[in-house]
Amino acid sequence: RKEVEQDPGPFNVPEGATVAFNCTYSNSASQSFFWYRQDCRKEPKLLMSVYSSGNEDGRFTAQLNRASQYISLLIRDSKLSDSATYLCVVNKGSNYQLIWGAGTKLIIKP
Amino acid sequence: DTEVTQTPKHLVMGMTNKKSLKCEQHMGHRAMYWYKQKAKKPPELMFVYSYEKLSINESVPSRFSPECPNSSLLNLHLHALQPEDSALYLCASSQASGPYNEQFFGPGTRLTVL
Repeated sequence: RKEVEQDPGPFNVPEGATVAFNCTYSNSASQSFFWYRQDCRKEPKLLMSVYSSGNEDGRFTAQLNRASQYISLLIRDSKLSDSATYLCVVNKGSNYQLIWGAGTKLIIKP
Repeated sequence: DTEVTQTPKHLVMGMTNKKSLKCEQHMGHRAMYWYKQKAKKPPELMFVYSYEKLSINESVPSRFSPECPNSSLLNLHLHALQPEDSALYLCASSQASGPYNEQFFGPGTRLTVL
């Protein structure tokens, strides 16, 4: 089993729709969780950090379920500019080291 | 705008060349990282510096040599690379040690080894 698993997609979603991604992790000692977005040939950009049960920022909501060891990302009212790869990232339980999921590709269609 | 800068943006080098990648952060962060990313793969951690000292080396070949001249600067010296080392090299920084720190990335150097 991979340490962080994501559905690679692609998710093809019409503009304005709501889309949700899930990510599961295997290390129960992980304490912090992140969603990054990465555009083609660009660097990963931090989208949201999740330290407790969840976090919300505008159209984006992240939720953490420690019992089931998964994190979700919900995007409401999706925009064309939301098209990107979304990477689920989990702290390894020790300093510095992050475990990266393989990413979920999202394509928003007009 | 990113506050982590990297130079050069693109680099093409032969297998016998010596080159260096440079990274600078302006956020007062005390941890800095080098990652390597191949196409359609997530970033792979190479090195971590904490308070200017190397704290993690993920079994990276010696043809990659990191250097941290001060808390704002990070270099990656390259020598005798192989074509399979062609990738996007990303620098990141974070505020402090510990599991809660968020990492912020520079735009990367796209390296091609001929």
